[in-house]
Amino acid sequence: DTGVSQDPRHKITKRGQNVTFRCDPISEHNRLYWYRQTLGQGPEFLTYFQNEAQLEKSRLLSDRFSAERPKGSFSTLEIQRTEQGDSAMYLCASSLGTVSYNEQFFGPGTRLTVL
Amino acid sequence: AQRVTQPEKLLSVFKGAPVELKCNYSYSGSPELFWYVQYSRQRLQLLLRHISRESIKGFTADLNKGETSFHLKKPFAQEEDSAMYYCALQLNRDDKIIFGKGTRLHILP
Repeated sequence: DTGVSQDPRHKITKRGQNVTFRCDPISEHNRLYWYRQTLGQGPEFLTYFQNEAQLEKSRLLSDRFSAERPKGSFSTLEIQRTEQGDSAMYLCASSLGTVSYNEQFFGPGTRLTVL
Repeated sequence: AQRVTQPEKLLSVFKGAPVELKCNYSYSGSPELFWYVQYSRQRLQLLLRHISRESIKGFTADLNKGETSFHLKKPFAQEEDSAMYYCALQLNRDDKIIFGKGTRLHILP
């Protein structure tokens, strides 16, 4: 499968624990986006990278959240001291970033449940 | 702030009947507008975007700047159209996408 992949697909954790998610974009895609989707809502933007540079962060991204893309390839999203309100589907998307229109291709998501 | 509104959470339509999923947006400029679809157990995928003016799987959407609307239409619904549909906008190329809350389309046999 050459699409965007995310790991793990599901994560159950206890409140207060730290969790880390990984996203592998489509090869050659230099733009990588993180979104969060809660029940009954559409995806909401969290942050995005061009290569290894983090270009924008949403106000949704509290100081407990940190994202990295150290070599401009895969990215990680870490949530520290998880809260029940963090329970959501975390989506990653990537785009080519060099042509006139850049479709964002989405991964399958990581579903986080905080108990 | 930019916003996308999809007034219907659920739309049930009989097979063969016309479909219209409503979408309104708030933005004073000229955004790119999209419809994304998520079929059961599949990932979110682009259905169509206004600038291409294509018909995908029989669906079309016309941008009405006066009414700030981008409704999705199909003349004859098929059972395989049952899915979650999200209207979305993008202010600039490569920018984040702003999604509506989605409408679940249920095609009745």
